[in-house]
Formats: sequence, C-alpha cells, structure tokens
Amino acid sequence: EAEVAQSPRYKITEKSQAVAFWCDPISGHATLYWYRQILGQGPELLVQFQDESVVDDSQLPKDRFSAERLKGVDSTLKIQPAELGDSAMYLCASSGRTNTGELFFGEGSRLTVL
Amino acid sequence: AQSVSQHNHHVILSEAASLELGCNYSYGGTVNLFWYVQYPGQHLQLLLKYFSGDPLVKGIKGFEAEFIKSKFSFNLRKPSVQWSDTAEYFCAVNARGADGLTFGKGTHLIIQP
Repeated sequence: EAEVAQSPRYKITEKSQAVAFWCDPISGHATLYWYRQILGQGPELLVQFQDESVVDDSQLPKDRFSAERLKGVDSTLKIQPAELGDSAMYLCASSGRTNTGELFFGEGSRLTVL
Repeated sequence: AQSVSQHNHHVILSEAASLELGCNYSYGGTVNLFWYVQYPGQHLQLLLKYFSGDPLVKGIKGFEAEFIKSKFSFNLRKPSVQWSDTAEYFCAVNARGADGLTFGKGTHLIIQP
C-alpha cells in the first residue's frame, strides 16, 4: 500500500536553531498538506500545495516558517529559528485529484524544542 | 470557514461497552465528513467517511457513524468496544468542492480490559 513518507520521525533541537522536515507524498497525488498537531489537540493546517504552487498558507507563521515543493513532488517544511512553542507533531498528508477531502497521512515528525 | 466540535476530550470505557462519540460541525454549505483514528505510535488513519446517500455509514473495525443534517452532527458509534480500540479519534469536515480538512480537537478513548 502506498504511503506518505516523512523524515525525521523525531527531532530534538534547542531554541533558536533551524529545523527542517521532509515529506514525500503518495505517487501521483497533486495536493500536499502540512499540518501541525499540538499535544491534546487536532491537526491544524499550516500550508497546502497544489503541485508546486501554494494554495493556502494563511496559517503559516511566515516570520519563521517556510515551505516549498519545488518540483511538485516532495516537500520541505523549515522552521528558523525554532521556539519553545513550536514543539508539536508535524504531519504531512496528500490527496489525489478527486477533491473529496480524503487525506492520506504520513507518520509525522515529532519536534521537541528545548 | 468551517469548524468542528467534539464533545468529549477523554472517554474511558470497559471492554464490551457501547461507544458513542459526538461531533458537530459548523458550515453553511454541503460537506463531506470523516472520522480518523490515531492508534498509539501510529499515523492518522481513515475510519469512515460520508459523502452522500445513506446517512448511516459503516467503517472499519465495526465502527459506524450517522450524519444528521438538521443537527449538523456526525456521531461515531460502536456497539461493543475492544481493548484495541484505545486510540485518539478525530472528526473532520471538508467543504464540498474545496480541498483539505478541518479537524476537531479529538477524543482520547481508553478501553479498560
């Protein structure tokens, strides 16, 4: 079964350092999402790509977060500098062109900022 | 914009008990509705979904959900839970024709053997 790949699974970093997360969606899926899930809460959308273009980044803290999907396949989410409040699970998801809302999630990257 | 409300943040049940987790959404248009489950240490998985038709939908592992349009609700049910159902359950809504999902805060379900 095709899966969404994410790395690293776990990242521990100190405040003010830079971190990066990588995601490879299911092959052929045009839409890619980055969600943030704070412990005890539901996932919240950070950014959505359609192919290589950003569709929605209204909830992305652009002063420190950036995301790219240069070739319309895999994607990188970067945080610089990391803050204590960024500790969370960062989830990548993808969907096909059927536009039903059904998303396929990766296992996530858990970030701990010390 | 749409929003999702899940009524119970923590639920503890004994094995064989019946389960109902509440979910209400707020959106004026047509929606697709989902329940996702996250088992300990695993990724979010689709439990069931509603797009149209019969408002009672069946998912994996004996779960079902009923869409009641007049109440903007999509409650999740299971007649007899098992210890392996211990997980986090998320209700989510998609505005028809748009991409992406809006999630509720989740319900942490613990099943005691």
